[in-house]
Amino acid sequence: DTEVTQTPKHLVMGMTNKKSLKCEQHMGHRAMYWYKQKAKKPPELMFVYSYEKLSINESVPSRFSPECPNSSLLNLHLHALQPEDSALYLCASSLAPGTGPTDTQYFGPGTRLTVL
Amino acid sequence: AQTVTQSQPEMSVQEAETVTLSCTYDTSESNYYLFWYKQPPSRQMILVIRQEAYKQQNATENRFSVNFQKAAKSFSLKISDSQLGDTAMYFCAFMTQGAQKLVFGQGTRLTINP
Repeated sequence: DTEVTQTPKHLVMGMTNKKSLKCEQHMGHRAMYWYKQKAKKPPELMFVYSYEKLSINESVPSRFSPECPNSSLLNLHLHALQPEDSALYLCASSLAPGTGPTDTQYFGPGTRLTVL
Repeated sequence: AQTVTQSQPEMSVQEAETVTLSCTYDTSESNYYLFWYKQPPSRQMILVIRQEAYKQQNATENRFSVNFQKAAKSFSLKISDSQLGDTAMYFCAFMTQGAQKLVFGQGTRLTINP
């Protein structure tokens, strides 16, 4: 089973709101990822957690705040977003970071975020 | 820095035909992995096939196969007996061993016509 789940599927928020995106996997994977994807473009990496610790932050603005409460769960907290932050936010996970083929990333269905 | 190039922004074929999507990459690394991901209009990114650079044998998964030419840094995807459900955006991706970061191409939008 290579299932990564994401909630909500759609989110509309104002620029002053605070909201969170949730990602969950029960495959025993120890690395989890957040990507941002604009229409007709490839995903752009935002954050990587390895063994529940933040290992990569791709210079993402502080209005995006990731959290990894445990090995199965990844959150992305959103605050004071801009309209240009509207995008599809994808979560992914991989079995064991840095070990070759087990680094294969499996993606969730995404959250479509609209910032008004 | 690694780069991935997909030279075909869009392709269109008839159902049951065979289609090949091109991908080239640039790297000085010797240990790396290559992937093809499919993203249908429903938006979930699905792994189609994976190739380890140290393996000479081309990967295959049912109707999907790759032509991996390491010296030429080419990694094309062949879809045989194409089906309507193959309509999607296809991304070629590269990852250096241990890097955890996928480098994506710009994608090829493939349409299978009935």
